[in-house]
Formats: sequence, C-alpha cells, structure tokens
Amino acid sequence: GAVVSQHPSRVICKSGTSVKIECRSLDFQATTMFWYRQFPKKSLMLMATSNEGSKATYEQGVEKDKFLINHASLTLSTLTVTSAHPEDSSFYICSARQGIYNEQFFGPGTRLTVL
Amino acid sequence: TQLLEQSPQFLSIQEGENLTVYCNSSSVFSSLQWYRQEPGEGPVLLVTVVTGGEVKKLKRLTFQFGDARKDSSLHITAAQPGDTGLYLCAGAYGSARQLTFGSGTQLTVLP
Repeated sequence: GAVVSQHPSRVICKSGTSVKIECRSLDFQATTMFWYRQFPKKSLMLMATSNEGSKATYEQGVEKDKFLINHASLTLSTLTVTSAHPEDSSFYICSARQGIYNEQFFGPGTRLTVL
Repeated sequence: TQLLEQSPQFLSIQEGENLTVYCNSSSVFSSLQWYRQEPGEGPVLLVTVVTGGEVKKLKRLTFQFGDARKDSSLHITAAQPGDTGLYLCAGAYGSARQLTFGSGTQLTVLP
C-alpha cells in the first residue's frame, strides 16, 4: 500500500515553456501532498504544501506564480513550472501524507532539464 | 524554525563494516522517520519511531529514538554494497503536518 506515482519521470523543455508534473496517490486518498526540489547529493527542499480543495501553502522564497499547484482531487496534485528557465532544472519530488504520524510516501521524482 | 542536524554528511566504508548515522534536534519530535533514497528515485520510508527510548530493527538496520525524543540514530551492521544510498531522517514537531528533513547522509559501501 501507500504507492505514489509521478509523471513524467523526466522532461526536457526549451526556456520559456511551461511544464506540468502530476503526482498521484494510487491506493489511498491524500488530502495533503507535498512538493520538493532536490539538488544533487543534497536533502529535500520543501517548496509547497498542496491541500485538496484549497490553495497551496508555499515556503518562503518560492514564487507561487511560477510554480502553480493544483490539488483538484484526493488522489491528484499537479505542479506546473511556468516560463521555465535553465535555473529551474532540478529533480522534483512529490509526496503524499498518510497516517497519524505524518508519514510521507514519495513519488519516484521528475528530472526537469530546461535548455 | 526547527533545525534537524544529521551526521556524518558523507560516509564511505568497506563491505562488512558497521556504521551509525545520527539525527539531532533541539526540539522534541512528535514522530521521526528514516528514509533511504537511491539516485534518480524518490525516498523510501524505512521506519517510524514515536516513543522515547524506542528501538526498532529492520534486518541489519537498528533504529533508536532518544529518551527525550530529540535525537535518533540508525545503525547498520555488516554493511553491504546494496546499502549504498542517501539516508534521510525527518521529524514532525507538534501537530505540524510537514516534516523537517535532515541534511542527509550519503553512504557508499565499497565491495
């Protein structure tokens, strides 16, 4: 149980385009999902908390107009990187919260490369 | 802002050796998780500890939660190359839904 999928696994795009990443909880419902960014050999950096049916909560320094989050159902959250630039290239990982101890189950990640 | 310190940051050992990774905070955790991440993949949950003094074992991995619930350790016995990866501790504070992640320990086990 507690499987989270993420799509696509990798994407290459041109500078200025927008990219949408999907995060799905496959066998459970998740009112709360999280989006992280990770640099090579570094820990996870929380970008935002995605709440089903309401606005996402963004961490300090994360531009909400650039990283659009939508959590329209209990099993799906999307992250759209708008007007992507090379500095947005990174590994993006989502997770879904389940259980009384705030355990998070992670998707396999999306490698974004902006040319 | 809670800080969660993890050490060591990098660890390279020979197959068969033992190792311990530490996770410390100045605040009390309501729960703490350990994750393992391989390159190009998402972190995988290894264990959750919630009770002070709790010890959990997962094959050759032993997880310990400090009595005051401010620290935790992960001990690996007779490490194998398959144990190579990034180990992350993550703590929840109070009723917070978010986890605070440690800086990670990059473990390399050489054959």
